[in-house]
Amino acid sequence: EAQVTQNPRYLITVTGKKLTVTCSQNMNHEYMSWYRQDPGLGLRQIYYSMNVEVTDKGDVPEGYKVSRKEKRNFPLILESPSPNQTSLYFCASSFSLAGDNEQFFGPGTRLTVL
Amino acid sequence: AQTVTQSQPEMSVQEAETVTLSCTYDTSESDYYLFWYKQPPSRQMILVIRQEAYKQQNATENRFSVNFQKAAKSFSLKISDSQLGDAAMYFCAYNDFGNEKLTFGTGTRLTIIP
Repeated sequence: EAQVTQNPRYLITVTGKKLTVTCSQNMNHEYMSWYRQDPGLGLRQIYYSMNVEVTDKGDVPEGYKVSRKEKRNFPLILESPSPNQTSLYFCASSFSLAGDNEQFFGPGTRLTVL
Repeated sequence: AQTVTQSQPEMSVQEAETVTLSCTYDTSESDYYLFWYKQPPSRQMILVIRQEAYKQQNATENRFSVNFQKAAKSFSLKISDSQLGDAAMYFCAYNDFGNEKLTFGTGTRLTIIP
């Protein structure tokens, strides 16, 4: 089954404790992206990757890191989480950046930083 | 920069009735794509319908249709014969060629009244 998986689905942590949210897709997609969803703000892009070893900042990259060492994986790293990073996070992937390419979303990760 | 505006934070409709969700956007591009995503309580992002700007004909997917007004930069979603399973948050989104992200609106929460 074609899908994007994220782990964990839920995470409660404390300020400053490094964490990683994993994202994996099995569709051989070149493009992957991370969004965060906050009430009243919709989804905003954090980082994106156009291919292996190619990543770039989105609209809200502060406090996050990513890496793309393999085509299928695109982990999101919070090296020192803060309460303002409490949010719902989505990983997405698509074949390319062509406007009509459907982006496939993972199931989301609910992160709470205390 | 492109922006997407959803001016209705919440809407409700009687089961079996028709409801229209509004979306406006701003762009200087002539070729682009517009999307409606549904986010049910499971939080999964589900593509409902997409519209290509160069196509005059409004897209339709079963009970879902759009009213695309390019000159007015308006892209509304009509849901006919509303069903309980339509209850969700609905996001309007924009993308154009080569853009590295989807630009989302802030969402409209739709409630179906039995």
